[in-house]
Amino acid sequence: QQQVKQSPQSLIVQKGGISIINCAYENTAFDYFPWYQQFPGKGPALLIAIRPDVSEKKEGRFTISFNKSAKQFSLHIMDSQPGDSATYFCAPPLGISNFGNEKLTFGTGTRLTIIP
Amino acid sequence: KAGVTQTPRYLIKTRGQQVTLSCSPISGHRSVSWYQQTPGQGLQFLFEYFSETQRNKGNFPGRFSGRQFSNSRSEMNVSTLELGDSALYLCASSLALGPGELFFGEGSRLTVL
Repeated sequence: QQQVKQSPQSLIVQKGGISIINCAYENTAFDYFPWYQQFPGKGPALLIAIRPDVSEKKEGRFTISFNKSAKQFSLHIMDSQPGDSATYFCAPPLGISNFGNEKLTFGTGTRLTIIP
Repeated sequence: KAGVTQTPRYLIKTRGQQVTLSCSPISGHRSVSWYQQTPGQGLQFLFEYFSETQRNKGNFPGRFSGRQFSNSRSEMNVSTLELGDSALYLCASSLALGPGELFFGEGSRLTVL
């Protein structure tokens, strides 16, 4: 059974620090690697995604780094703020490599808490 | 532009009953996926519909079913409810099949007593 392994399960970071969340996967059906952010009482929302014609993508304080040979990708949050406190999910598309059969498979989530 | 709308937001059922949850996708989105979210298991994929056809199915028992209508609205049904079905059920829509951005609703919180 294809799996996604996300770590750590929970993370506490001081305001202004760097938050790092990692995701390891088996075989993806498609080169598309997203991170979703979920606040309490809300559905997840796409935060940032990479299609690995590049190994890194930066959007503001958020960066995805991708290591294809290691089958890992990570989310870095620079200058972490209390408003970043949320649960983060990686969601690589697993499944049969046949357009339409790939589906986003969510990791178990990382609860990030930014303390003042 | 309106987001994904799920109804009802909260519901309480007893074991053995059945429940129907509804999802209205973003206008123009033809793909609707359903996920079950629980504290221990995270988000688990239930099924995906596109143009009224089920295109993908997760590893859930046959008590979980769904359908999609011609206007892309979707419903999911759970029959013979069990305590373990208590969860947040999330619907997500996207423009097309294949990997791409999913737009989630706020979910339907089901409690089974």
